[in-house]
Amino acid sequence: QKEVEQNSGPLSVPEGAIASLNCTYSDRVSQSFFWYRQYSGKSPELIMSIYSNGDKEDGRFTAQLNKASQYVSLLIRDSQPSDSATYLCAVTGASSGGYQKVTFGTGTKLQVIP
Amino acid sequence: DTEVTQTPKHLVMGMTNKKSLKCEQHMGHRAMYWYKQKAKKPPELMFVYSYEKLSINESVPSRFSPECPNSSLLNLHLHALQPEDSALYLCASSRSGREGIDEQFFGPGTRLTVL
Repeated sequence: QKEVEQNSGPLSVPEGAIASLNCTYSDRVSQSFFWYRQYSGKSPELIMSIYSNGDKEDGRFTAQLNKASQYVSLLIRDSQPSDSATYLCAVTGASSGGYQKVTFGTGTKLQVIP
Repeated sequence: DTEVTQTPKHLVMGMTNKKSLKCEQHMGHRAMYWYKQKAKKPPELMFVYSYEKLSINESVPSRFSPECPNSSLLNLHLHALQPEDSALYLCASSRSGREGIDEQFFGPGTRLTVL
């Protein structure tokens, strides 16, 4: 069973702090990694994608990937109350019929305290 | 424009009803997806269409019937649903679905309640 694991939280951080969200995956052939933000009652919104080892920065967000450790993380700098949401880690798996299925983790709920 | 639209936003139906969910994208994407999401759970893949052909059916019950009339439209026909089918139904699209690097963009979803 290929899995994507996240701590369900809630992860509480004060406003202005760095929030660190972590994800591990079991399928060594995974090639693509995504972070989605989902507000309560809304649909997932893609915020970051990363494909190679190292860091990728986009505004206040930094995604980090370590394929050897099968670990991907998301850092949110200067956290704002509006960042309070559930963050879903998504990982592609082995190809099946020419299509690489995306597996979602169960998500980490982030609470930014004003 | 990274927008995927879905109609209706909310749907309440009885177990004997027939209804359809609709999804549309104008990003030129050639892969479209249906997901089901229950409360506090991650999205669960149901179907994948790639280049208007059904590529993946995740052993979904036949009371759910997908249709892809063209590369921009995706429908999900519902018939004889059960109360446990109540969930948020999400449509997503990606460039091709074949390369493994495709970013999937989700629509706002349809909140379905089966009475």
